[in-house]
Order: sequence, then structure tokens, then C-alpha cells
Amino acid sequence: GAVVSQHPSRVICKSGTSVKIECRSLDFQATTMFWYRQFPKQSLMLMATSNEGSKATYEQGVEKDKFLINHASLTLSTLTVTSAHPEDSSFYICSASGMADEQFFGPGTRLTVL
Amino acid sequence: LAKTTQPISMDSYEGQEVNITCSHNNIATNDYITWYQQFPSQGPRFIIQGYKTKVTNEVASLFIPADRKSSTLSLPRVSLSDTAVYYCLVGPKAAGNKLTFGGGTRVLVKP
Repeated sequence: GAVVSQHPSRVICKSGTSVKIECRSLDFQATTMFWYRQFPKQSLMLMATSNEGSKATYEQGVEKDKFLINHASLTLSTLTVTSAHPEDSSFYICSASGMADEQFFGPGTRLTVL
Repeated sequence: LAKTTQPISMDSYEGQEVNITCSHNNIATNDYITWYQQFPSQGPRFIIQGYKTKVTNEVASLFIPADRKSSTLSLPRVSLSDTAVYYCLVGPKAAGNKLTFGGGTRVLVKP
């Protein structure tokens, strides 16, 4: 299957700082990318859907000004957690889809906010 | 998107067959059934997808009855490395459609 990478794999930051997470499709062009958040022992929760070149669509309850998503190219989407707080600590996972019917998931990014 | 219901957890032993049933009573005509596997601190991995009857690949089989209101993922001869959370998802096949994850089934394979 196609490969999706995320960087960094884990990050620790101080409260109040901003953190950027990258999601890349390595061997295909991703017209749509999705961002999920997963708390310990819980399921994945969709945060937003981003299409290349257009604004992201956020799920209900997800603050668009706090979780900035940019999908500037067909192989890269970024999620920036602005003014992070301890409650933002979570596992962030992206997925990407192109022309095929399948979504491919990244390995996830563990964010810890102190 | 059709809601799914799965058992919260299941225990098994190495070499046994594991069957996980997912209920999706409100499945729509154009919905497919897809199963993902997730290991701790990793992203989900696609296992199998089907629409009706039976689908088999190198890792699993998916059984879907005629009314499609449920489906069963069958993992033959599990090993310790099959310990993971398994998610059943139901929705249109188009790749650009968002996926809604339910609670999943935590499978523990014991030696």
C-alpha cells in the first residue's frame, strides 16, 4: 500500500507554545487528507478534512483557530496546534487519499504539553 | 454514516481462530464494510473490505450475511503479534469520504 509519513513522531512542548505536525504522502498525490486525534484507550476522533488548495472543514467542536490546517500541496498537509495546553496532549494521526478508494494512515504523532 | 457496534474486548490464545462480529443495522445500499487494525502508538492499518458474502485475503476473511446488518472478521490462527484493536467501519467506498471510527474491539492473544 501507499506510504504516509508524519513528523515528528513525538514532541514535548511547554504550555503556551505552538507545535506543527507534518503529514506527507510519499508515493502518491493526496487530494484529501484527514486529521484525527486519539486519547489513551479511546478511538480515533476525526478533527478535520483538508483538500489541497482549499480551506479545511472542521468537525463540530474542533476549534479552527486553535488547530490550523494547511494543505498547500498534493503531498503535504500540516496541523499546527496553537497555544498548546496540557489538555491538547494526545496522539495525532493523519490519513491521506488519492485516486484509489483507500485511505492510508500515518504512524501518528505523540504530543505532550507540559 | 451507519453506526457500528462491536464487543469491547476479546481474549484468545495463539493458534486459535478469532471471530469479531460487528453490528451495523442502518447500513446503506452504497456502504462498504471495512476493518482496520491498530497497534499501540501506531496509525490504523487496513485489513479487509467487503460489500456482501465473503471476502478473503492473506490475513483475514470477512463474512457478510445477505441482509448486511452485521459482519464478522475472522483471523485464522492468531499469534501474539495479532494483539491489537480492531475497528469496523461502514461507509461509501470513495476515498475522499471521511471515516467514523467506533469503539473498536481490543483483542488480546495469550501464549
